[in-house]
Amino acid sequence: EVQLVESGGGLVQPGGSLRLSCAASGFTFSSYDMHWVRQATGKGLEWVSAIGTAGDTYYPGSVKGRFTISRENAKNSLYLQMNSLRAGDTAVYYCARQMMGSSYDGPYDAFDIWGQGTMVTVSS
Amino acid sequence: QSVLTQPPSASGTPGQRVTISCSGSSSNIGSNTVNWYQQLPGTAPKLLIYSNNQRPSGVPDRFSGSKSGTSASLAISGLQSEDEADYYCAAWDDSLNVWVFGGGTKLTVL
Repeated sequence: EVQLVESGGGLVQPGGSLRLSCAASGFTFSSYDMHWVRQATGKGLEWVSAIGTAGDTYYPGSVKGRFTISRENAKNSLYLQMNSLRAGDTAVYYCARQMMGSSYDGPYDAFDIWGQGTMVTVSS
Repeated sequence: QSVLTQPPSASGTPGQRVTISCSGSSSNIGSNTVNWYQQLPGTAPKLLIYSNNQRPSGVPDRFSGSKSGTSASLAISGLQSEDEADYYCAAWDDSLNVWVFGGGTKLTVL
């Protein structure tokens, strides 16, 4: 079964750090770009970071310089190191697999597999 | 304020057809394909439609997507109670260099 399982969430004080993990199974992890997406309680989805198969990384401005995405293909694992955490970072964090292809409408990509999420709470 | 604009709510009765709109700009929907995600209460998002109108294996053909210019739509026909969920559109934005999502539409089956 294709599966992603996140762990590492918890309560952390403002300014603190936390490292999230995502364990992949059921597919060739090294062949896929991977992402982190977060969702504050009662709010919408927000893309947090991405890592390509070659280790190239991408971030939105809201987390750039504070968050670091990484992967360890030998362990089928994805990570998110979060530093200088703020109250606004409080959310459920999901890891997601990116699928890619080409259709009549041209090239496409989408997040086809999602984990169950791990809750991060930043509060004093 | 989300980059992609969706109505916050939609509703319909069982068997009805409902549509959810998603409005963007030339740098996102106008340039790239649109995906739709369904999030049932208390669960993770699930890919519902990719590449504007393609359904992943296992998604009923009651769900369909379309795109025109800088807008996209999700249509659900033969509405069922289990369709009650939040629906999000998403696309890559070439100007911002980020994935952007709509604010989500909460679908209620009356």
